[in-house]
Amino acid sequence: QSVLTQPPSVSGAPGQRVTISCTGSSSNIGAFYDVHWYQQLPGTAPKLLIYDNNNRPSGVPDRFSGSKSGTSASLAITGLQAEDEADYYCQSYDSSLSGSVFGGGTKLTV
Amino acid sequence: QLQLQESGPGLVKPSETLSLTCTVSGGSITNSNYYGGWIRQPPGKGLEWIGSIYYSGSTYYNPSLKSRVTISVDTSKNQVSLRLSSVTAADTAVYYCAREKGSYSAFDIWGQGTMVTVSS
Repeated sequence: QSVLTQPPSVSGAPGQRVTISCTGSSSNIGAFYDVHWYQQLPGTAPKLLIYDNNNRPSGVPDRFSGSKSGTSASLAITGLQAEDEADYYCQSYDSSLSGSVFGGGTKLTV
Repeated sequence: QLQLQESGPGLVKPSETLSLTCTVSGGSITNSNYYGGWIRQPPGKGLEWIGSIYYSGSTYYNPSLKSRVTISVDTSKNQVSLRLSSVTAADTAVYYCAREKGSYSAFDIWGQGTMVTVSS
């Protein structure tokens, strides 16, 4: 059972928009700790997609965006492409555990 | 361009100690803004943070693994090391090292990962 809760799977057609939720609690997201998102393509290491809630590292398309409200955060992907098919993970800091925590991951099918 | 590379045995026997090294190239590990972290991923499962270390040696561990984990840094070799004692089959996973942008922050650069199997 992950500290951060994500839906196991989401799907969308090419060109559509999908969102992936990440639900936490008052000791992590709700405590104003930042949320970060990673994309993991099959057989590869995770790649930072969004940091500090809504910032994209250089090279990440603006089709990817993040938001945060209360004890939850969301990753939105617009203009879905076949190459977006991957696992997506959220991450934050938890003050009760005094360390980083990850969501269980969401498999995106395009 | 900073790169991280994990290395170590791919097979460890139950009850023994898993030892991995992360070698940093293309930059110095002693940049005061960054930490070095270890994350693992059991086959077919999600990511689990193991622990992080500041270049000065300050460490932060996952409470569920704290009694068995030691993370250390060797600034002369530009390396971060992981030791996990008393391993069981549940410790079978791909182990990643990653650079953490700061305390409470994102892991912005990852190694390719190394698979470690615990089996007799």
